[in-house]
Amino acid sequence: AQSVTQLDSQVPVFEEAPVELRCNYSSSVSVYLFWYVQYPNQGLQLLLKYLSGSTLVESINGFEAEFNKSQTSFHLRKPSVHISDTAEYFCAVSEGTHAGNMLTFGGGTRLMVKP
Amino acid sequence: DAGVTQSPTHLIKTRGQHVTLRCSPISGHKSVSWYQQVLGQGPQFIFQYYEKEERGRGNFPDRFSARQFPNYSSELNVNALLLGDSALYLCASSLGQGDYEQYFGPGTRLTVT
Repeated sequence: AQSVTQLDSQVPVFEEAPVELRCNYSSSVSVYLFWYVQYPNQGLQLLLKYLSGSTLVESINGFEAEFNKSQTSFHLRKPSVHISDTAEYFCAVSEGTHAGNMLTFGGGTRLMVKP
Repeated sequence: DAGVTQSPTHLIKTRGQHVTLRCSPISGHKSVSWYQQVLGQGPQFIFQYYEKEERGRGNFPDRFSARQFPNYSSELNVNALLLGDSALYLCASSLGQGDYEQYFGPGTRLTVT
């Protein structure tokens, strides 16, 4: 069975500082990896995804994540955060033959950007 | 284009009652999945439907059921509500069962008293 661990439940950081949100997964087969962001009282928005190919994936708003198969990790990074990045971030894995399978989510990391 | 829509937005029910939650996928999407998100936790998979057939089921009791209609919209039904069923219920749609990402709706906040 697959599982996802987000090592930090909360990450406080000052505006314009770099940040890393950690995600580790366990799976016996190939996986597809995702980061979703959830703003207060809203649903989930896809931030970025790894399906295949380059292990470094980027989003349009400056986030990036690197798939590391040997360490079974998919950490999310941003070199300079903004107040508007304050939200809950979820790492998720889809296991099996295609990415459209059920998603298994981690417990979430609350990113709190302070001025 | 309209995204995934869910109704109602909020709902308050009493223990033992029944509830029906509704989801309309993005136009052209044929797969719908349901997730339960308890406060402070990540979402948990409940069901996936594709072309009106159940294609996946999470570890939830038989009190939970769902169906998908010919227009690809979906309903999630929960019988004999328990306090622990209080959660945000999320619906996600995708084009199909291939390598397609899932798009989430805003959710229905269910409170059981």
